Amino acid sequence: NAGVTQTPKFRILKIGQSMTLQCAQDMNHNYMYWYRQDPGMGLKLIYYSVGAGITDKGEVPNGYNVSRSTTEDFPLRLELAAPSQTSVYFCASSYSAVGNTEAFFGQGTRLTVV
Amino acid sequence: GENVEQHPSTLSVQEGDSAVIKCTYSDSASNYFPWYKQELGKRPQLIIDIRSNVGEKKDQRIAVTLNKTAKHFSLHITETQPEDSAVYFCAAMYSGGGADGLTFGKGTHLIIQP
Repeated sequence: NAGVTQTPKFRILKIGQSMTLQCAQDMNHNYMYWYRQDPGMGLKLIYYSVGAGITDKGEVPNGYNVSRSTTEDFPLRLELAAPSQTSVYFCASSYSAVGNTEAFFGQGTRLTVV
Repeated sequence: GENVEQHPSTLSVQEGDSAVIKCTYSDSASNYFPWYKQELGKRPQLIIDIRSNVGEKKDQRIAVTLNKTAKHFSLHITETQPEDSAVYFCAAMYSGGGADGLTFGKGTHLIIQP
């Protein structure tokens, strides 16, 4: 059972480049989330999804886009990378709303924009 | 939206002593309060959680208390061991839209001194 898998683990981008952070879960969870963690800070919610075809903005959505075409996958897209997007990105999933069950995290993607 | 404050940012205790980390939240509608442990370079993992219909929950050396009136909750670790050294995050469930996302505190770096 792989749980939540994120790729890549590390990436360096130049300003203005674009990339997609991949997230997949094999637990048949309907809820999925993207968080970013800046140094010395907690995790901030970027986007979340309650099921395939449904996404919504979190606390810090600017500069990002998501899609949820299947239950398993929840990719995060950066269109025009900026230094402010240098961070560690965590994907998470849960079977139902977080208030009802535990959220499982992926191992993170460390992104540096130069 | 929800705002979670966590104190202290760093806590150093002698091995065998107790450690207490405190959090306050702003949204009285929040009803789920998990605690996550994050070891260096790893993903956050749930260690204990509490729901608003309970005042206290214990799991071996770890306990969490909740005061709904004051809107604060605390993590208590007794008989601390070297493997307890990590960053601990509290979180509260944020209600908005069609799903719930966790709002995290900024974290407490717990250092266990031998």
